[in-house]
Amino acid sequence: DAKTTQPTSMDCAEGRAANLPCNHSTISGNEYVYWYRQIHSQGPQYIIHGLKNNETNEMASLIITEDRKSSTLILPHATLRDTAVYYCIVRVTSGTYKYIFGTGTRLKVLA
Amino acid sequence: DTGVSQDPRHKITKRGQNVTFRCDPISEHNRLYWYRQTLGQGPEFLTYFQNEAQLEKSRLLSDRFSAERPKGSFSTLEIQRTEQGDSAMYLCASSLGRAGGNEKLFFGSGTQLSVL
Repeated sequence: DAKTTQPTSMDCAEGRAANLPCNHSTISGNEYVYWYRQIHSQGPQYIIHGLKNNETNEMASLIITEDRKSSTLILPHATLRDTAVYYCIVRVTSGTYKYIFGTGTRLKVLA
Repeated sequence: DTGVSQDPRHKITKRGQNVTFRCDPISEHNRLYWYRQTLGQGPEFLTYFQNEAQLEKSRLLSDRFSAERPKGSFSTLEIQRTEQGDSAMYLCASSLGRAGGNEKLFFGSGTQLSVL
């Protein structure tokens, strides 16, 4: 089972910041938080990942709470092309390297 | 194009037939993953390889499914005696595996299987 909880869907106005929350209350100290997104009919695309510190790259920012039990993915200026399903994943590290996907958050960016 | 390549993009088959899919990972990526995705669901883990070794298979994976990665390069996923419930998108991903989990998965565009 997925170790994360995300809202089923969210809307965001074009040009505004999209803040996508994720709960991972059972995360272990050495487990990374990953975010991927999937645009219709394509394979998932890597966005960002982090362990403890906040991270930023050209696509997004990842804010991880101090207790690491939740995180937020921020798309600073959402565009229509950001409409996708966003998956928050906690990487299982108990002797395996598989990623367990949940059902994700369906983000719709509105014009 | 140096991304993950999957072939074919679409496959239509009749129930009971065997099908085989191919995945070419990004060059020098040592880990290769297979996932299955049905409509409205997230990708479901099937199996993964580190180099040529198949390290884990999902308990949900029936004996009709088999995967190989000879020589640690491309991989094939075969489904024998297909059933209508096998209809799904089959996704392949590769990564340059690092200890501790600090790595990125790169996915292909998938093979859409329809079993009639």
